[in-house]
Amino acid sequence: GAGVSQTPSNKVTEKGKYVELRCDPISGHTALYWYRQSLGQGPEFLIYFQGTGAADDSGLPNDRFFAVRPEGSVSTLKIQRTERGDSAVYLCASSPLAGRYNEQFFGPGTRLTVL
Amino acid sequence: QQQVKQSPQSLIVQKGGIPIINCAYENTAFDYFPWYQQFPGKGPALLIAIRPDVSEKKEGRFTISFNKSAKQFSLHIMDSQPGDSATYFCAAVAGGTSYGKLTFGQGTILTVHP
Repeated sequence: GAGVSQTPSNKVTEKGKYVELRCDPISGHTALYWYRQSLGQGPEFLIYFQGTGAADDSGLPNDRFFAVRPEGSVSTLKIQRTERGDSAVYLCASSPLAGRYNEQFFGPGTRLTVL
Repeated sequence: QQQVKQSPQSLIVQKGGIPIINCAYENTAFDYFPWYQQFPGKGPALLIAIRPDVSEKKEGRFTISFNKSAKQFSLHIMDSQPGDSATYFCAAVAGGTSYGKLTFGQGTILTVHP
């Protein structure tokens, strides 16, 4: 079956603009995670959804970042008033169940560049 | 705050060699330690994982060694192949949560020469 897909694969925007990044998890996966990977670093946790609700958004850097998952499947990460420091690869992962030992399946990421 | 420290940053070995990647953690609440492999342009993929109730786990050519008292764990790749060339990340998950909030190390770029 299809893996986790993310669109767009690349996004170039100007400082101050608004962007939306989309994640399509594996069908039937209830747990969904967003991570951010800066150049040369490991991914950093942003937010976790169980179903439609954001169960843990402690990794969101500030209130310019927001994510939704209205129907418990597709998720959108929204970034307002983008800054150059937001440039990174944004990774989405899904898991069939919420448990911490369950494998997370990662998408290829969206590379965001803020000019 | 870097909760999982990984070394080395990069590693070059010849085919058939045994690269070793090391990680150390500070948070004693961590109770699950997966390793991920990432190829350029792809997301990380789970390679192997260990819980602290065992000191070693093997899956194929990949072995994790775990030292709970030292708060260290390492990945060994036996009979390394050029296809193993990738970036490797160690990670950790804290107990007390019902979901997999991964804390990653900084990554190790492995190059295996033919």
